[in-house]
Amino acid sequence: EAQVTQNPRYLITVTGKKLTVTCSQNMNHEYMSWYRQDPGLGLRQIYYSMNVEVTDKGDVPEGYKVSRKEKRNFPLILESPSPNQTSLYFCASSLLAGSVGELFFGEGSRLTVL
Amino acid sequence: SQELEQSPQSLIVQEGKNLTINCTSSKTLYGLYWYKQKYGEGLIFLMMLQKGGEEKSHEKITAKLDEKKQQSSLHITASQPSHAGIYLCGASGGGSNYKLTFGKGTLLTVNP
Repeated sequence: EAQVTQNPRYLITVTGKKLTVTCSQNMNHEYMSWYRQDPGLGLRQIYYSMNVEVTDKGDVPEGYKVSRKEKRNFPLILESPSPNQTSLYFCASSLLAGSVGELFFGEGSRLTVL
Repeated sequence: SQELEQSPQSLIVQEGKNLTINCTSSKTLYGLYWYKQKYGEGLIFLMMLQKGGEEKSHEKITAKLDEKKQQSSLHITASQPSHAGIYLCGASGGGSNYKLTFGKGTLLTVNP
């Protein structure tokens, strides 16, 4: 089954404690991206990657890091989480050769930073 | 940067009624995408529009991109409770700009 898998789905952590949210897709997609969704602000892009070792900033990259060492994985790293990073995070992927906007989304990771 | 404004923000309709959601862009649209989201869940891709004047349909949902390519509409005919959810439009920058921007969404409630 084609899917984008995120882990963890739910996480409560404390300020400053480094964490990683993993994202994996099994569709051989070139394009992968991270979004955060907040009430009143909508869905905002954090980082995206067009292929292995190629990443670029979205609209809200501050406080986040990403890496793309393998085609299927695109982890989101919060080096020193802060309460304003409390949010619902989505990973998504698409075939770049097709249309970058035809995204498959993961089920989301709800992060709370105390 | 590109901004997408959706209207209305929320909509409550009686089952069987038709409805329209609009998405207006601050810049020319090179690719416009419609998604549906159940509350707190991942988004599901509905349709993509690229050419001015293009219209696509899937079951009872029709999306159009206007000729000037700065506005799109999503029309649902004979709404059903299964249509309820949040509808979001998204757009790419075009060319080698792979950044994607989304509207804030329209919350649709369909009362039986």
